[in-house]
Amino acid sequence: GAVVSQHPSWVICKSGTSVKIECRSLDFQATTMFWYRQFPKQSLMLMATSNEGSKATYEQGVEKDKFLINHASLTLSTLTVTSAHPEDSSFYICSAPTDTGVYTQYFGPGTRLTVL
Amino acid sequence: GEDVEQSLFLSVREGDSSVINCTYTDSSSTYLYWYKQEPGAGLQLLTYIFSNMDMKQDQRLTVLLNKKDKHLSLRIADTQTGDSAIYFCAEIPISGGYQKVTFGTGTKLQVIP
Repeated sequence: GAVVSQHPSWVICKSGTSVKIECRSLDFQATTMFWYRQFPKQSLMLMATSNEGSKATYEQGVEKDKFLINHASLTLSTLTVTSAHPEDSSFYICSAPTDTGVYTQYFGPGTRLTVL
Repeated sequence: GEDVEQSLFLSVREGDSSVINCTYTDSSSTYLYWYKQEPGAGLQLLTYIFSNMDMKQDQRLTVLLNKKDKHLSLRIADTQTGDSAIYFCAEIPISGGYQKVTFGTGTKLQVIP
């Protein structure tokens, strides 16, 4: 199946710093990518839809100035958590849809963010 | 909006069959998926079914869909310890373009050796 990678896989940062997470589609092009957040023992919550060449679409309650998304190419989307605080600590997962006759989404391995 | 519900926990003995259930609310044509998440990892697509199908079998996995009751199940035959994980059902309504995935709450499967 299609492969989506994320970097870094885990990151620890101090409160107040910014952290960038990359999401790459390795063997296909993705004009759209999705960013999710997952708290421990909970399901995935969609944060935003990243669109190549245009602004991201954020879900209700997600601060766009806090979570900056850039989809600069057909294979790369980045999520920057600005001025991170401990409550931003979470597991962040990206996904990219492919259309191979059946609509599916392939997920990255996730990035564990811990803010001290 | 769409709502997808799952039971939270299932424990089975190795070698037995596991059945994970899911209910959804969307009544339009939709794709329904099963994903597996191991600890600290992303989601692995296991299988999918379109809402005009009743059943799909893929090796040890069998997906059953009762469209009338909006009930989806995943049966894992000969469950192994490596099947221990959280299983999410998900749906994507088909209405053109890329649609948002609605995930279920996840079912934690524990396989007892």
